[in-house]
Amino acid sequence: QKEVEQNSGPLSVPEGAIASLNCTYSDRGSQSFFWYRQYSGKSPELIMSIYSNGDKEDGRFTAQLNKASQYVSLLIRDSQPSDSATYLCAVNPPGSARQLTFGSGTQLTVLP
Amino acid sequence: KAGVTQTPRYLIKTRGQQVTLSCSPISGHRSVSWYQQTPGQGLQFLFEYFSETQRNKGNFPGRFSGRQFSNSRSEMNVSTLELGDSALYLCASSAGETQYFGPGTRLLVL
Repeated sequence: QKEVEQNSGPLSVPEGAIASLNCTYSDRGSQSFFWYRQYSGKSPELIMSIYSNGDKEDGRFTAQLNKASQYVSLLIRDSQPSDSATYLCAVNPPGSARQLTFGSGTQLTVLP
Repeated sequence: KAGVTQTPRYLIKTRGQQVTLSCSPISGHRSVSWYQQTPGQGLQFLFEYFSETQRNKGNFPGRFSGRQFSNSRSEMNVSTLELGDSALYLCASSAGETQYFGPGTRLLVL
């Protein structure tokens, strides 16, 4: 079992729809969770960090964390073609701050 | 604040050579982490430096090494390059737990 798993994708949604990206992790002691966006040929760009159970909203993005289910998700409301990218879920293993374990990424395409 | 900078941005080497990549973190950030990204393995952690000390190391062979200077700038070195070392090498700096990535160095080994 991989330590961090994401929907394999690719995921396509129409413009204006909600895109839902999911991630599960295996180490129950993990405390810090991150979503990065990576455009083709570019480096990862931080979208959200979340540390506590529940929802965290930032503009059109909402991160959701459920530690009991070892599940993190990212919702993108009112999706735009510019949101088309690969979304990477990253987890800090316990006791290893700044040593991120990444999922394989979900490629999102927003269709105009 | 200026972001993380990495040099060079592109590099072509041949098998058996060695290479040194450089990373300058965001001003005030003392932690620098390095990652390798390949299509097959994704993003994998190489090592992390904080105040000139290596604090964590990923599962890579000893050919991969790094160091950090007193101004927090970091270098990573790969000796005896193999074809499989072709990848995007990313540096990330942080002041807390959140890491910010540089643009990366794309290494091609022929």
